Amino acid sequence: EDQVTQSPEALRLQEGESSSLNCSYTVSGLRGLFWYRQDPGKGPEFLFTLYSAGEEKEKERLKATLTKKESFLHITAPKPEDSATYLCAVPLDTDKLIFGTGTRLQVFP
Amino acid sequence: ETGVTQTPRHLVMGMTNKKSLKCEQHLGHNAMYWYKQSAKKPLELMFVYSLEERVENNSVPSRFSPECPNSSHLFLHLHTLQPEDSALYLCASSQDPLWAMNTEAFFGQGTRLTVV
Repeated sequence: EDQVTQSPEALRLQEGESSSLNCSYTVSGLRGLFWYRQDPGKGPEFLFTLYSAGEEKEKERLKATLTKKESFLHITAPKPEDSATYLCAVPLDTDKLIFGTGTRLQVFP
Repeated sequence: ETGVTQTPRHLVMGMTNKKSLKCEQHLGHNAMYWYKQSAKKPLELMFVYSLEERVENNSVPSRFSPECPNSSHLFLHLHTLQPEDSALYLCASSQDPLWAMNTEAFFGQGTRLTVV
């Protein structure tokens, strides 16, 4: 069964304390992976697309990496404005996008 | 603003009511989607429209009825809903079908639906 799992479910960090979020998946014929950020009361906002194992993408304090089984979202020296829920998603052939349940990140000053 | 606008932002309806959610995009995208987001659950795909034709109906109960009159507008008609249908309903659009991996989805702000 196609499945996307994110961990941890919630993460509390002190400002400046770097960490990583994990997204593991079991899908056949992986063609890539998306990362989204969602603020409370809003729709998800696109962050990255990763197409193949070994690929890395960076944006400000965020870096996303992809292996054959999982993806990591590394957050370096986070700030309070990085607080949000981070979602990963994997597309299937039927134009279905399977989302994980997300990691709720809180960064305290 | 992502270019995808949903109305209303909040909706409270009784189980016997009929209401509609509206989604509008002026990004020139060819695919539009309805998602349901419930607490502690992953985003669930409900419907996909590509070039105004429905291409995916993810086993959604018939009390939810989508309509895509043109490439810029998408509706979700609601009738005789249940309290467990209370959730955030998100509309999204993309230039091409998402499986092609050459595009990303742009989401609206969502409609927070409460069924009483």
